[in-house]
Parts: sequence; structure tokens; C-alpha cells
Amino acid sequence: SQKIEQNSEALNIQEGKTATLTCNYTNYSPAYLQWYRQDPGRGPVFLLLIRENEKEKRKERLKVTFDTTLKQSLFHITASQPADSATYLCVPDNYGQNFVFGPGTRLSVLP
Amino acid sequence: KAGVTQTPRYLIKTRGQQVTLSCSPISGHRSVSWYQQTPGQGLQFLFEYFSETQRNKGNFPGRFSGRQFSNSRSEMNVSTLELGDSALYLCASSGTLNTEAFFGQGTRLTVV
Repeated sequence: SQKIEQNSEALNIQEGKTATLTCNYTNYSPAYLQWYRQDPGRGPVFLLLIRENEKEKRKERLKVTFDTTLKQSLFHITASQPADSATYLCVPDNYGQNFVFGPGTRLSVLP
Repeated sequence: KAGVTQTPRYLIKTRGQQVTLSCSPISGHRSVSWYQQTPGQGLQFLFEYFSETQRNKGNFPGRFSGRQFSNSRSEMNVSTLELGDSALYLCASSGTLNTEAFFGQGTRLTVV
């Protein structure tokens, strides 16, 4: 069955450093992959979408890579700030079929 | 443009009762999805509606049901509530396939 894994449930980093979050999937061939941010008690907020034919996508301090051979996406936040502390969720998808979220990684950026 | 609106925001129900939650999607969006979120299970997909038809369904018992109206507003219903149904229920809307989902603030359901 399809499985989505995100690296360690929680990740602590120092302010100013680059945070790298991992999303691995198995038994699945997504056409694209999305990343969301969720703050406690609130709904997820869309951040970035990367398609299978794109190697890398950037938006301000965010960068996402997508390796369909490794079945992996990496999500980077450069120059991290305490305000970046949240849970980050990945969603490998295939044109709306079974929009399943990964378990999430809780990022804490320490001042 | 107004976002996704979920009502009510908070709800307390007794075991055995039933509950109906409402979701108004972003204007023009025809797809509405529902999710259950608990601390131990993360975001679990319940079902997705598109143009009044259920298009996808997650692995939940038949006590969980939903519908979508012609104006794309959606409701989900949970019958015979159990303590384990206590969760944050989130609704998301999207315009077409292959686009991002916009989430509401959620309904916090507590079953006592």
C-alpha cells in the first residue's frame, strides 16, 4: 500500500541555520508533490507545489526538490526564524486521487 | 475573496449522538475534501466531493458520511458518536485537479 514518511517527528535547529525536511513515499508515482505548513489548532496552509518534471522550485527562503528516482522530496528553509516554527506536511498526489498527507515534521527554530 | 468557512468552530456532544458539520468553500471551487485530525493519527482523509458527487473516500466507518450541495457547500455527518471521534475536523476546497487546497479553520469536536 502507499506509504508516506517524513523525517523525524520533530526537528530543532538554531535561528539563522537552514532547516531540511524530508518526504519519502513508496508504492506510489505522484505527478506532483505539495508542501503545507500547519500551526497548532489551525488548518494547513499551502506553501509550494513541484511537478515530476521539475527538479527544484524556490519561493523566497523556501526551496523544494523532487527526485522521482529516489521517491523523495526535500524541503529547505534558509535563514530560519522562530516564526518558521510549525509542522510541515508533504502531499504526493496524482491529479486529485486520494489526497493523502504525510505525518508531518514539527520544526522548532530556537532563538 | 472569502476563504473556506467552517461552522461551528467548537462543538461538544455526548456519546451516541449525531453531529453535522458545515463547510462553505471558496467561491468558484467545486471540490471539497474533509479530514480528521487527532494528535496520534495526524491528518486522515475522510472523503472528497466534486460537483455533488463523492469522488474519493478514505478508510472510515459508515458512521461518517457527507454530501455536497449544488452551490458546492458541503456537510459531513457523524452518527452514533464515540469518544474516539473527538478531533479537529478540517475541510478544504480546491478549484481544479492539480492545484493547492485551501483549508478552513476547522471544527473542534469533543465527545463526552
